[in-house]
Amino acid sequence: AQSVTQLDSQVPVFEEAPVELRCNYSSSVSVYLFWYVQYPNQGLQLLLKYLSGSTLVKGINGFEAEFNKSQTSFHLRKPSVHISDTAEYFCAVSGSSNTGKLIFGQGTTLQVKP
Amino acid sequence: EAGVVQSPRYKIIEKKQPVAFWCNPISGHNTLYWYLQNLGQGPELLIRYENEEAVDDSQLPKDRFSAERLKGVDSTLKIQPAELGDSAVYLCASSFDSYSTDTQYFGPGTRLTVL
Repeated sequence: AQSVTQLDSQVPVFEEAPVELRCNYSSSVSVYLFWYVQYPNQGLQLLLKYLSGSTLVKGINGFEAEFNKSQTSFHLRKPSVHISDTAEYFCAVSGSSNTGKLIFGQGTTLQVKP
Repeated sequence: EAGVVQSPRYKIIEKKQPVAFWCNPISGHNTLYWYLQNLGQGPELLIRYENEEAVDDSQLPKDRFSAERLKGVDSTLKIQPAELGDSAVYLCASSFDSYSTDTQYFGPGTRLTVL
């Protein structure tokens, strides 16, 4: 069985500061990893995904994430956040069984303060 | 390109009443998903369709929930009768195929409040 743990429920940060949102996963098979963002009253939007190859993945809006197989982590980072980055962020995993089923973490609320 | 469309956006009903949600996926997407998102939680898959066939409905509470995807395009999710614990956001998503590498595109969701 697969599972995802987002280690922080809330992350407050000042505007223009760097941020890291932590995600750990558990799986007995090869995985694909995703980060989604959810703005208030909106659906989820894909930020980036890791399928294979380079462990550093760049996404939209200046976000990037690094896949670390030995630590079973996929942490999301941004070097300088904006007020508009305030949102809920979800880490998700799917397996190599090709069912398309996503397992989501509980989410991390990023609060960017002026 | 139009995104995933869901309606209604908000629904308030009394317990024991029926309710239905509608979803129109992105044109050309063969796979459609319904997710349940409780407050403060990540989405959880309820049912997955490949074209008109429900290929994964193991998480759907079949005593009160039903879904259909006639003609393999839009889909309806129904609850009858609704219970207080059904208050949540119901998200619809679609993808071109059902491979684990495919990006799922989400609609804005329907927020259900059961009184």
